[in-house]
Amino acid sequence: DTAVSQTPKYLVTQMGNDKSIKCEQNLGHDTMYWYKQDSKKFLKIMFSYNNKELIINETVPNRFSPKSPDKAHLNLHINSLELGDSAVYFCASSQDNGNYGYTFGSGTRLTVV
Amino acid sequence: SQKIEQNSEALNIQEGKTATLTCNYTNYSPAYLQWYRQDPGRGPVFLLLIRENEKEKRKERLKVTFDTTLKQSLFHITASQPADSATYLCALDASGANNLFFGTGTRLTVIP
Repeated sequence: DTAVSQTPKYLVTQMGNDKSIKCEQNLGHDTMYWYKQDSKKFLKIMFSYNNKELIINETVPNRFSPKSPDKAHLNLHINSLELGDSAVYFCASSQDNGNYGYTFGSGTRLTVV
Repeated sequence: SQKIEQNSEALNIQEGKTATLTCNYTNYSPAYLQWYRQDPGRGPVFLLLIRENEKEKRKERLKVTFDTTLKQSLFHITASQPADSATYLCALDASGANNLFFGTGTRLTVIP
């Protein structure tokens, strides 16, 4: 299946831990993204990345860092997790020409306890 | 400050009627605007894209309008069905950036 897949789907962890969420797309898209959806269902861009440029939303704490081993993968690393990091994180991808919408993964629900 | 507002947090309509959702934005100059559907526990799914030089776009029972003077997009679902019940999100690009910024969403419920 052509898709954006992210793992794990659920992640429960304690404050202070470091965790990673993996994302892979097999659509041949040029750009990948991470979005955070809070408890009020508001979707906020965190990062966008293609093989040329990383764009970071300035409001994202530097505890969050994207890692892209290749064009098809964009993983999200989070250090020193805090309670406020609890949310659903979505990975997405798109072609650069802007003619098509984004394709989203099914989300990772992160709960920090 | 930049804002993307969808007029209703929730909208209930009777099956068979036309649902109209509104998206207003301030302090953006988007080249295009998109609409997505999101079901509970799932990621958003792309529905339609309309460019700044297009007034209207249609896809099956869906119709989107884009008025750059009013800074507003309207999203219509005609002959609505209970299966259309979901949250609908508008999104637009920031000029010069390849990032999508999303509105607050409208939760549509179509009542049989």
